[in-house]
Amino acid sequence: SQTIHQWPATLVQPVGSPLSLECTVEGTSNPNLYWYRQAAGRGLQLLFYSVGIGQISSEVPQNLSASRPQDRQFILSSKKLLLSDSGFYLCAWSVGGYGETQYFGPGTRLLVL
Amino acid sequence: DQQVKQNSPSLSVQEGRISILNCDYTNSMFDYFLWYKKYPAEGPTFLISISSIKDKNEDGRFTVFLNKSAKHLSLHIVPSQPGDSAVYFCAASASVNTPLVFGKGTRLSVIA
Repeated sequence: SQTIHQWPATLVQPVGSPLSLECTVEGTSNPNLYWYRQAAGRGLQLLFYSVGIGQISSEVPQNLSASRPQDRQFILSSKKLLLSDSGFYLCAWSVGGYGETQYFGPGTRLLVL
Repeated sequence: DQQVKQNSPSLSVQEGRISILNCDYTNSMFDYFLWYKKYPAEGPTFLISISSIKDKNEDGRFTVFLNKSAKHLSLHIVPSQPGDSAVYFCAASASVNTPLVFGKGTRLSVIA
């Protein structure tokens, strides 16, 4: 069966510090991978999605970047965090097309102080 | 422009009664619709989906209804249980080549 891992579970970082969040998927090959952010009291905002290694699509311009160094690994990064980067970050995967059912990881809660 | 709208931010229902969560969409190209359930500090869990060729899909206590002419779908939970208390997200896709579009969610509270 497929499983998706995210770490760390919780992170507290000062403004201006770098960020690296990691997501890995097991039990499937060639998944589509996604990064979402849920700000406090808000819905799910799609940040990035990827169909394969090195292929990243960005939904919104922002302070963040994503990379996919391996087939089942997706990394969310920032060089300098802003206060507005605080939120709950979710990784998800799907197979087939982008419009297919997505399955989410447990999430990372990021607090920027 | 919000293509998927969940106009009720919250809903309270008594245990044992029916919960009805609503979702409206504006994009007539959407052909696949999903509902997710999310507990605090956890990732959303896929609940149930429906394609545009159907108007109803049932899975245990959960039923999703789709009214294409009204661009409206709803999730019915019968009977509601305290463990159903969570945020429910509606999502839709226009094709296999475009990512899902999510609503802002509705917080359901089932009161014992």
